[in-house]
Amino acid sequence: GAGVSQTPSNKVTEKGKYVELRCDPISGHTALYWYRQSLGQGPEFLIYFQGTGAADDSGLPNDRFFAVRPEGSVSTLKIQRTERGDSAVYLCASSLSGSSGELFFGEGSRLTVL
Amino acid sequence: AQSVTQPDIHITVSEGASLELRCNYSYGATPYLFWYVQSPGQGLQLLLKYFSGDTLVQGIKGFEAEFKRSQSSFNLRKPSVHWSDAAEYFCALFSGGSYIPTFGRGTSLIVHP
Repeated sequence: GAGVSQTPSNKVTEKGKYVELRCDPISGHTALYWYRQSLGQGPEFLIYFQGTGAADDSGLPNDRFFAVRPEGSVSTLKIQRTERGDSAVYLCASSLSGSSGELFFGEGSRLTVL
Repeated sequence: AQSVTQPDIHITVSEGASLELRCNYSYGATPYLFWYVQSPGQGLQLLLKYFSGDTLVQGIKGFEAEFKRSQSSFNLRKPSVHWSDAAEYFCALFSGGSYIPTFGRGTSLIVHP
């Protein structure tokens, strides 16, 4: 499709497990962002990629969270030793270059940690 | 530091009534400003954006927003609300200094028939 695609749309896991969330951005978009959205809150920044490199990872809450974008397209957000507080909707967005601030969002991956 | 404040958590309007959603920002210079809409179970969709120039910007679905530098505001308006406008609305700020769009907490719009 032409939009940002995120998989899985829903993920239920147990506390302590490892989780991967995938984002396929719009073709040709060099900038890719991960945000986290808790109930009743706005998107909270996690990490920003420009090409293959993480240009800003200051929003990652701790070292259990990691993200990669090895070929400058698809990105994977990885969460180790999940905790109940990690439950949220994880949003991915892409932007043509990152210089305009205009983001195109996927529908999100809802993570529930039991 | 940059920040966005949306002071209203919920707004309830009757179908056909006018709408104004408030957004205030904090930033040292003039930022780029955006409004996004999120319907249940959907991703955020861009409604409109302000970069520079004319302070009244038009967007999709009949929405408009006005940038007021003196008030550090970028309020979203619509003259006549439709039931399908019920959704969550987010104001966002972007500056060349950080390249990270910052979002407000959102305003939930409820439309009564």
